[in-house]
Amino acid sequence: EDQVTQSPEALRLQEGESSSLNCSYTVSGLRGLFWYRQDPGKGPEFLFTLYSAGEEKEKERLKATLTKKESFLHITAPKPEDSATYLCAVHGQAGTALIFGKGTTLSVSS
Amino acid sequence: ETGVTQSPTHLIKTRGQQVTLRCSSQSGHNTVSWYQQALGQGPQFIFQYYREEENGRGNFPPRFSGLQFPNYSSELNVNALELDDSALYLCASSSDYEQYFGPGTRLTVT
Repeated sequence: EDQVTQSPEALRLQEGESSSLNCSYTVSGLRGLFWYRQDPGKGPEFLFTLYSAGEEKEKERLKATLTKKESFLHITAPKPEDSATYLCAVHGQAGTALIFGKGTTLSVSS
Repeated sequence: ETGVTQSPTHLIKTRGQQVTLRCSSQSGHNTVSWYQQALGQGPQFIFQYYREEENGRGNFPPRFSGLQFPNYSSELNVNALELDDSALYLCASSSDYEQYFGPGTRLTVT
């Protein structure tokens, strides 16, 4: 069964304090691993797609990396506006759905 | 380019009633997926429609049903509402593996 586990559940950072969010996954035939940002009460906003181990993608202060078992979302010098819940999802060969983790809620204080 | 839109934004229903939620897909996308997100959880896959046919279904009972129209917009219907159906309902459109989400409909069942 495809599964995604995210850690930590919550993370509090000071502005400028870099850190990483973890996404561990089990999937039969990875078609893609996706990162989304979700603000309270809103729909998830697409950030990145990673397709194969070793792949990296960057967008502003965010960098996503992928290995055969996990993905990391690195946040460099975060700002308060980066506060949100970050969701990781996988798409496996077995079905058509995205399988989501529960997310990591990031709070950045100034 | 118009993104994914959903209506209504909020809805309050009584247990046992029926509800219809609507979604307009992003221009150029022929696939629509529906997800249910309970508070503090990741989105859970309900079903997917591709070119007006159901193309995959998650672990939801038959009282959750859907439609996709020739313009690729979609409806989610839920019959015999239960209190546990209270959640954020998300629609996502795609043309390949990347799914783009709408703002969601917040359904409250009392």
